[in-house]
Amino acid sequence: KNEVEQSPQNLTAQEGEFITINCSYSVGISALHWLQQHPGGGIVSLFMLSSGKKKHGRLIATINIQEKHSSLHITASHPRDSAVYICAAVNNDMRFGAGTRLTVKP
Amino acid sequence: GAVVSQHPSRVICKSGTSVKIECRSLDFQATTMFWYRQFPKQSLMLMATSNEGSKATYEQGVEKDKFLINHASLTLSTLTVTSAHPEDSSFYICSAPLGDYTEAFFGQGTRLTVV
Repeated sequence: KNEVEQSPQNLTAQEGEFITINCSYSVGISALHWLQQHPGGGIVSLFMLSSGKKKHGRLIATINIQEKHSSLHITASHPRDSAVYICAAVNNDMRFGAGTRLTVKP
Repeated sequence: GAVVSQHPSRVICKSGTSVKIECRSLDFQATTMFWYRQFPKQSLMLMATSNEGSKATYEQGVEKDKFLINHASLTLSTLTVTSAHPEDSSFYICSAPLGDYTEAFFGQGTRLTVV
């Protein structure tokens, strides 16, 4: 079993839909990191959180430490949100989930 | 915000040659940098942790004599792929956390093709 599990692996949505990507981890963490990877490979850090909830624009990340679970939500999704979203468990290094490939269709 | 610059972004080399990839933290000091490898349609895999002034820590299965890491200063870590083979073709990316791991920044990545 992987240390960091993400679901779903692939997700296709229509523009405007509400998106949820889930991340469960089995290791101890100091923080949970959500990343966005574009087709060219470049990685953008979205959130790093250790408790509660963070919001930035249309993106919301939540974490439940007791349940070892985090979710990334995208409201009013747009085709430009199409990317691979990766969660990573942080504890002196980063262990990555397999990623969720999101495609938002116009 | 803090930036990590990785160079080159793409490189093609012949089998048997060596390739050096640089990762620089531009406006903060990075005592630790991480090197990852990503094969097509797979997730990032940690290769090694680079520590300024000391030896790198390699993940199980990563050959330290093949993937040489040097972290000679607080702003520069290098990964040298020695005697490259076609199976080393991959996307290599570095990241550097802020000292207290409140944030981590990624380089742009290097797409290595060994022919």
